[in-house]
Amino acid sequence: EVQLVESGGGLVQPGGSLRLSCAASGFTVSSNYMSWVRQAPGKGLEWVSVIYSGGSTYYADSVKGRFTISRDNSKNTLYLQMNSLRAEDTAVYYCAREGAAGWFDPWGQGTLVTVSS
Amino acid sequence: EIVLTQSPATLSLSPGERATLSCRASQSVSSYLAWYQQKPGQAPRLLIYDASNRATGIPARFSGSGSGTDFTLTISSLEPEDFAVYYCQQRSNWPLNTFGPGTKVDIK
Repeated sequence: EVQLVESGGGLVQPGGSLRLSCAASGFTVSSNYMSWVRQAPGKGLEWVSVIYSGGSTYYADSVKGRFTISRDNSKNTLYLQMNSLRAEDTAVYYCAREGAAGWFDPWGQGTLVTVSS
Repeated sequence: EIVLTQSPATLSLSPGERATLSCRASQSVSSYLAWYQQKPGQAPRLLIYDASNRATGIPARFSGSGSGTDFTLTISSLEPEDFAVYYCQQRSNWPLNTFGPGTKVDIK
């Protein structure tokens, strides 16, 4: 069964850092395009970042220079390193397989990041 | 940046009724549009991709149409489990994917 499980969310102060993890099963992370998508409380979906199978990475302007997407092939796990966090980064963060076709399927269950003092 | 607009914001219908949801792009996205369903407390689920193709396991009552800038998601006869929020997403200027603001389908 294809599955994604996120972890690492929590409460962090403004300016702080957090690393999210997304463990995959049923498929190989390094052979796929993998993305992070976030959803602020009561709001819509916002694409955050993608890592291609070849290793290229892209970011939304709102997080560029502060967030870094990466993967560990040996652990079949995707990561999102978040630095210089702001209140507006508060959201549920989902990892998703984007696939070569550009659609997000499947999604993980999400992990909540709260940036507050 | 391609902006997606969804209408209406909320659609109040009864089970068994037909639901028609609209998604409009600020510029042509060809057929590079998907629809997702999200229920409270759950992750989104892919329903339709490439404007009109149902994802694996999606019931036939869901259908998508359109190309260019105007797209429609139709639910032919609402089941109780269909009351949710629906988002459209474009990948025309990949990797900069964007989502629409969503349409909530609630019970009348």
